Amino acid sequence: GESVGLHLPTLSVQEGDNSIINCAYSNSASDYFIWYKQESGKGPQFIIDIRSNMDKRQGQRVTVLLNKTVKHLSLQIAATQPGDSAVYFCAEKIGHNAGNMLTFGGGTRLMVKP
Amino acid sequence: NAGVTQTPKFQVLKTGQSMTLQCAQDMNHNSMYWYRQDPGMGLRLIYYSASEGTTDKGEVPNGYNVSRLNKREFSLRLESAAPSQTSVYFCASGGVEKLFFGSGTQLSVL
Repeated sequence: GESVGLHLPTLSVQEGDNSIINCAYSNSASDYFIWYKQESGKGPQFIIDIRSNMDKRQGQRVTVLLNKTVKHLSLQIAATQPGDSAVYFCAEKIGHNAGNMLTFGGGTRLMVKP
Repeated sequence: NAGVTQTPKFQVLKTGQSMTLQCAQDMNHNSMYWYRQDPGMGLRLIYYSASEGTTDKGEVPNGYNVSRLNKREFSLRLESAAPSQTSVYFCASGGVEKLFFGSGTQLSVL
């Protein structure tokens, strides 16, 4: 799930399959993580979040897994639908003040084939 | 419920021109943020306002100024636009964690 220069990593999946989008975060002190979905021409939309005292959190059709040992975050989307096609960003944060910046990863493009 | 509203949606400037991007939120959030997004990259924080009356620099503040006009409104100003400021700009508001984003302003500086 790391971005390289101007080229977003792309994950292509068949409609109905499960998708797994990965993210390697940088700071071992980060204690809060978020996944955002960005559709073309729109702003990022919150999907799911997780605190560092958890290793798994489930939402509707989405699950976030956190592995602090290797500083790895993943987003699993069950039964992927065409409407899931978008760019997905992970973000990390240290602390709970407004001035503690969210640091965003470079994004992964998910393409769902009908 | 409009959420976060940004204007304009598109803008083309010549080098050296100035302009202000407007942002308003109706969710009664204390904190507001301005980010820029360049092709193939994540969002980078320009400036933020933790509460009405305060503003602070983010990761990439050079060439920008901000004004927190009131609790609802947070504007971003480019005093002398440069081609390096060609980007998509997003305003966001929120608490200490979850942020809500506007739909963006696509700015081109020629």
